[in-house]
Amino acid sequence: KAGVTQTPRYLIKTRGQQVTLSCSPISGHRSVSWYQQTPGQGLQFLFEYFSETQRNKGNFPGRFSGRQFSNSRSEMNVSTLELGDSALYLCASSLAGIQETQYFGPGTRLLVL
Amino acid sequence: AQTVTQSQPEMSVQEAETVTLSCTYDTSESNYYLFWYKQPPSRQMILVIRQEAYKQQNATENRFSVNFQKAAKSFSLKISDSQLGDTAMYFCAFMKQYSNYQLIWGAGTKLIIKP
Repeated sequence: KAGVTQTPRYLIKTRGQQVTLSCSPISGHRSVSWYQQTPGQGLQFLFEYFSETQRNKGNFPGRFSGRQFSNSRSEMNVSTLELGDSALYLCASSLAGIQETQYFGPGTRLLVL
Repeated sequence: AQTVTQSQPEMSVQEAETVTLSCTYDTSESNYYLFWYKQPPSRQMILVIRQEAYKQQNATENRFSVNFQKAAKSFSLKISDSQLGDTAMYFCAFMKQYSNYQLIWGAGTKLIIKP
């Protein structure tokens, strides 16, 4: 069974631009979660989607948004990029929810210049 | 609010030795889950081991085992017969049961296995 895939793997943007990251979960998994990882703040929860509905959201500004499609694929969008948005963005999937084991993708490395 | 603390930023041991990574957490919850994840230099986060708080028996996965002390709110990871491939960042994480579906992470411990 294929693992969680994330595209693109690397991305360079400039301040003020917007970016969309994609995550394809493991086949059959309906829950997708997003995390931001930075050297200073560590790993922080962004949001979680299940059956196309956002079930929970972390403490990030409204510039960070996401959605999930009927095939469970998820996208994360960041608008008006700031230098501090430079990070590794990790996506994780699980069968029905975060209470179950989450399987992570390789991440998307975003650099904002 | 829950917090997770990993007090060892970096550790280094010789191959084949046993190493223990510490993790403490703070919560008022009775039912929760605890995890150890490994993130090698390739960046893929991998689940190492999972512990349900209601289980008294410590979880074990091959060379990896935990010492779960619920009263002390401690959740250490022991790696036996360490291998070069164990070199990675190790993160301890907490999640409330029936919760708002988010993992609370520790800052991580960088483990280096020396040949």
